[in-house]
Amino acid sequence: KAGVTQTPRYLIKTRGQQVTLSCSPISGHRSVSWYQQTPGQGLQFLFEYFSETQRNKGNFPGRFSGRQFSNSRSEMNVSTLELGDSALYLCASSLAGRGTDTQYFGPGTRLTVL
Amino acid sequence: DAKTTQPNSMESNEEEPVHLPCNHSTISGTDYIHWYRQLPSQGPEYVIHGLTSNVNNRMASLAIAEDRKSSTLILHRATLRDAAVYYCIHDTNAGKSTFGDGTTLTVKP
Repeated sequence: KAGVTQTPRYLIKTRGQQVTLSCSPISGHRSVSWYQQTPGQGLQFLFEYFSETQRNKGNFPGRFSGRQFSNSRSEMNVSTLELGDSALYLCASSLAGRGTDTQYFGPGTRLTVL
Repeated sequence: DAKTTQPNSMESNEEEPVHLPCNHSTISGTDYIHWYRQLPSQGPEYVIHGLTSNVNNRMASLAIAEDRKSSTLILHRATLRDAAVYYCIHDTNAGKSTFGDGTTLTVKP
């Protein structure tokens, strides 16, 4: 069974631009969660989608948004990029949800904002 | 928000057992306790999880305190490949927990 895939793996943007990241979960998984990882803040939860509905949201500004499609693939969008948005963005999929179930992480997308 | 507290770093010798502690004082009765580890340049990898009873799998054991305010991940025989950052986490599906800073495990040959 194929693992979680994320595209692109690396991305360079400039301040003020917007970016869309993509995540394809493991086949059959209905939950996709997104995390931001930085050296200073560690791994922080962004949001979770389950069957196309946002189930939980972390403490991030509205510039961070996401969606999930009927095939469970998910996208994350960041608008009006700031230098502090430079980070590794990870997505994770699970069958039943991140609270009770095992999460399988992708390799991440490394975003650099100049 | 759910928070966990772990030591910043620990060292172990190869082939010896390692006990990685975690405090989760804000845990509620329905929160599962999860452990993940992350190798450099990779996404986190699932290690083990449990609710109330001690758990064992091929990778590790999880010992959960009776009041569930703390847990210990046990690697029975550390190998060089076990060197990683280990995170414990708890949250419900309605939670917004973070992974915290984790424990960097160094394994010495």
